[in-house]
Amino acid sequence: SYELTQAPSVSVSPGQTARITCSGDAFPKKYAYWYQQKSGQAPVLVIYEDNKRLSGIPERFSGSNSGTMATLTISGAQVEDEGDYYCSSTDTIDNHWVFGGGTKLTVL
Amino acid sequence: EVQLVESGGGLVQPGGSLRLSCAASGFTFSAYWMSWVRQAPGKGLEWVANIKEDGSEKNYVDSVKGRFTISRDNAKNSLYLVMNSLRAEDTAVYYCVVTSTFWGQGTLVTVSS
Repeated sequence: SYELTQAPSVSVSPGQTARITCSGDAFPKKYAYWYQQKSGQAPVLVIYEDNKRLSGIPERFSGSNSGTMATLTISGAQVEDEGDYYCSSTDTIDNHWVFGGGTKLTVL
Repeated sequence: EVQLVESGGGLVQPGGSLRLSCAASGFTFSAYWMSWVRQAPGKGLEWVANIKEDGSEKNYVDSVKGRFTISRDNAKNSLYLVMNSLRAEDTAVYYCVVTSTFWGQGTLVTVSS
């Protein structure tokens, strides 16, 4: 079955740039989506269709998708950005979702 | 404002059944794919199933095929998940999701004797 691979953890200091990567053989043909999940809360979509942000998502969140890697970039990470980040895409079978294993972001 | 409210979770014995519901509001329910995604305690997200706008297409992750059934009632703005032959590994918070965008707060299903 199709898999998306993420590093388990990333750590940066406040104000630095955090990059979270997601590897998948179907990239860049398939869109990448990124979710932020804080402890005890439901996931929130921060990037959709590789590089788009919904209203209300800070501009410091951006995304890219090239080769076999999708990347979520947080420019000037803040303490409130701490949490788990999941990439997502569709399987080679359309309309089957798949998630990466998640990356825990620490900002301190 | 988009709202998704899940209900129906609880404690069930292995081999038992449960029916989850998701009440949707704040958007045109009949115009969007809907999904169920679950998260086992301390683990990552796992897509479970999705259903097309009119219910004509349904997809499932392999681990629940033949045991779970997704359905919707567009007149009631509601999404459902009937879970049969439940196993310990089905223990998770189950989220209702509209397209890939908005998530409910989830309902906890615990399968244990």
